[in-house]
Amino acid sequence: DADVTQTPRNRITKTGKRIMLECSQTKGHDRMYWYRQDPGLGLRLIYYSFDVKDINKGEISDGYSVSRQAQAKFSLSLESAIPNQTALYFCATRDGSGANVLTFGAGSRLTVL
Amino acid sequence: ELKVEQNPLFLSMQEGKNYTIYCNYSTTSDRLYWYRQDPGKSLESLFVLLSNGAVKQEGRLMASLDTKARLSTLHITAAVHDLSATYFCAVGGFNKFYFGSGTKLNVKP
Repeated sequence: DADVTQTPRNRITKTGKRIMLECSQTKGHDRMYWYRQDPGLGLRLIYYSFDVKDINKGEISDGYSVSRQAQAKFSLSLESAIPNQTALYFCATRDGSGANVLTFGAGSRLTVL
Repeated sequence: ELKVEQNPLFLSMQEGKNYTIYCNYSTTSDRLYWYRQDPGKSLESLFVLLSNGAVKQEGRLMASLDTKARLSTLHITAAVHDLSATYFCAVGGFNKFYFGSGTKLNVKP
């Protein structure tokens, strides 16, 4: 099984719908991140969390919300999806010591029509 | 906010040739990461550079870091088709990571 699992892997939805992307990890890491990838723009940080009680906004948090249900689970919600939220979304984790390398999930491709 | 610029954004090269990808960043940081992304796949860690002058090598790829110039390079030696992918550099800020736009490398047989 993957260390970082994202569901769904692909989703097509309509404008105005509520969408939740889920992320779970078996690495035992405290820190979890949600990134968005758009062609030519690299990865941009949406939200990050250091533990269940610590949630922080990233560069582009408008239109998104998150929930850290447990150390291993970090969900990203789009309350009312719009077409410019069409993108590839990545969840990542890292430990709090050492080289701090990010471990990424496989990605969730979201299309908003 | 920390800015990370990579160049070139696209690179098409023949097998057997050498080339360098550049990563510049805007403010002081002593942690620089290189990731690889294959089409339709996730990102995988290639190198972590933790200090000025750090050099890491894996196969045909070598990464280096100059913190004074705020510059990291990823050098490709004698490229092969299997190296075709998108390469990202990322700089570690205070509990955040800032990514470059990526360099899409296509190695032609």
